[in-house]
Amino acid sequence: EVQLVESGGGLVQPGGSLIISCDASGFIFSSYAMNWVRQAPGKGLEWVSYISGSSSTKYYADSVKGRFTISRDNAKNSLFLQMNSLRDEDTAVYYCARDTLTLFDYWGQGTLVTVSS
Amino acid sequence: DIQLTQSPSSLSASVGDRVTFTCRASQSISSYLNWYQQKPGKAPKLLIYTASSLQSGVPSRFSGSGSGTDFTLTISSLQPEDFATYYCQQSYNTPPWTFGQGTKVEIK
Repeated sequence: EVQLVESGGGLVQPGGSLIISCDASGFIFSSYAMNWVRQAPGKGLEWVSYISGSSSTKYYADSVKGRFTISRDNAKNSLFLQMNSLRDEDTAVYYCARDTLTLFDYWGQGTLVTVSS
Repeated sequence: DIQLTQSPSSLSASVGDRVTFTCRASQSISSYLNWYQQKPGKAPKLLIYTASSLQSGVPSRFSGSGSGTDFTLTISSLQPEDFATYYCQQSYNTPPWTFGQGTKVEIK
């Protein structure tokens, strides 16, 4: 059974940093690209970042480019999102999602990141 | 960036109703359109991919159609567990992969 479990969310001040993680199981992690998708409270879904299975290709939404860094550790079946220079508008539930030919076929339960002073 | 516009933003329907909602892309995306269902407090769930292919395990009352810029999701007979928000998402070419703003299906 495919499982994705996010962790690391919490309260952080504007301008601060946070790293969130996603632990994967039930599939060959290195064979799949992965994404982060976020959802601000009461709002819709926003794609944030993509990383290929080998980490050779990475993409970012314009809203986070230069501030967020996606990475993965295939030996540990883990996905990460390093978030720097956080802003109020980054407050959201962050989901990791498995990528199968650019559709998101499995999602984690999400981790809440709150940016507030 | 490719924009997706869903309509209506919300609708009220009864159990057993046939419901259809639409997703319009700002440019042609061929058939690279996917549909997700999200219930409150839960992660989205993939329903339909490449416009009309049913994801494994999804009931056959869900169907999708369309290509180019206009797409529809139809629920042939609405069930109590189908009350949720539905999002379309385009996966055409390179990122950013965008979502529509969602259609909320509520109980009449």
